[in-house]
Amino acid sequence: QKEVEQNSGPLSVPEGAIASLNCTYSDRGSQSFFWYRQYSGKSPELIMSIYSNGDKEDGRFTAQLNKASQYVSLLIRDSQPSDSATYLCAGPHPNSGYSTLTFGKGTMLLVSP
Amino acid sequence: NAGVTQTPKFQVLKTGQSMTLQCAQDMNHNSMYWYRQDPGMGLRLIYYSASEGTTDKGEVPNGYNVSRLNKREFSLRLESAAPSQTSVYFCASSEILGDIPYGYTFGSGTRLTVV
Repeated sequence: QKEVEQNSGPLSVPEGAIASLNCTYSDRGSQSFFWYRQYSGKSPELIMSIYSNGDKEDGRFTAQLNKASQYVSLLIRDSQPSDSATYLCAGPHPNSGYSTLTFGKGTMLLVSP
Repeated sequence: NAGVTQTPKFQVLKTGQSMTLQCAQDMNHNSMYWYRQDPGMGLRLIYYSASEGTTDKGEVPNGYNVSRLNKREFSLRLESAAPSQTSVYFCASSEILGDIPYGYTFGSGTRLTVV
């Protein structure tokens, strides 16, 4: 089982809607998680980090972490066509003593005008 | 501009040829990483260097070697390229906060094709 799992999508939402991206993880020792956005043909870009249970908001983005359920999510409010990209969930990898990140395979988000 | 610089951006190799991918960062980060990204497989860690002078294997190290030349530079070498090494390679660097890598900054990637 991969350490971090995501639905590959695509997730299609209309412009202005809320996009909800989900991620589950297998290692209970992982304490922090990251969301990266990757446009086609480009490199991943960090957009959110979360270290504790609950919600963390930054502009139109909200990251949610539920350690009991081993579940991480990213909400994008007022989705824009420019949000269309692949979103990668990442967490510390136990095999490296948590000194590296392991990534999910990514969820493609398509926002239609 | 501050960031991670990778060279080359594109490369075509013949099976059996060797090459070195270069990576340099100017953010004074201690840790550097090499990942490969393949369709349907996601990002997979090849090698990493937690600090200058140290290197460790990641998830898929076979066929690769690395050198942490100094704090800024971390190179990846393919000694005898194989078609299975056709991929997009990303170098990244990060600082460590509370033992956890924070905020990887990725280079722009190298698209390698082995024929």
